[in-house]
Amino acid sequence: QVQLVESGGGVVPPGRSLRLSCATSGFTFTSYSMHWVRQAPGKGLEWVAVISFDGNNKYFTDSVQGRFTISRDNSKRTLYLEMGSLTAEDTAVYYCARDQAPYGSNSEFVFWGQGAPVTVSS
Amino acid sequence: EIELTQSPGILSLSPGERATLSCRASQSVSSRSFAWYQQKPGQAPRLLIYAASTRATGIPDRFSGSGSGTDFTLTISRLEPEDFAVYYCQQYGSSFPYTFGQGTKLDIK
Repeated sequence: QVQLVESGGGVVPPGRSLRLSCATSGFTFTSYSMHWVRQAPGKGLEWVAVISFDGNNKYFTDSVQGRFTISRDNSKRTLYLEMGSLTAEDTAVYYCARDQAPYGSNSEFVFWGQGAPVTVSS
Repeated sequence: EIELTQSPGILSLSPGERATLSCRASQSVSSRSFAWYQQKPGQAPRLLIYAASTRATGIPDRFSGSGSGTDFTLTISRLEPEDFAVYYCQQYGSSFPYTFGQGTKLDIK
């Protein structure tokens, strides 16, 4: 069955960096675009970033543009989110999610990881 | 960026009742690019409805979606105890960013 497992969350001081990973299994990783979605404590869902199935296209929400990088290692079936210049506003649970439809079609998110908590605090 | 506004913010109903949740977009959204999710405390969101009206795999038929353009609705025909949760709408149209509504909390009355 499809599994998405995030790791790398934790407590980090403001201004520092952190890398999240999302290890996947149970599907053809190279066929699907992958997303990061975050949820601040007690708040709603916020889409953060996407990387296309082939890694050639990447998009970010405005608030993280220039600070966050998304990448994928198809040989390891793993998605990454490199977060830089972190602020308290980046404190959230970060979910990785997979498109339902393959090959970059605009698609809903059918599979989600369990989430990785990130706290930015001194 | 397309903004999605959900109403009401909190909906208090009893098991067996019918729930109607609304989501309004700041500009027209393709019906092919609209979804509803359910989230329970401590859990990841779960896809309920996509393409505005298509139930995801394994979703009971008491859940239905409708709407087009800027107005979309999620209806739960008869509430079961496990349906009390937070519901989010999402648009995933032709350009980024994808956006979510702020959520509707469905409370037990």
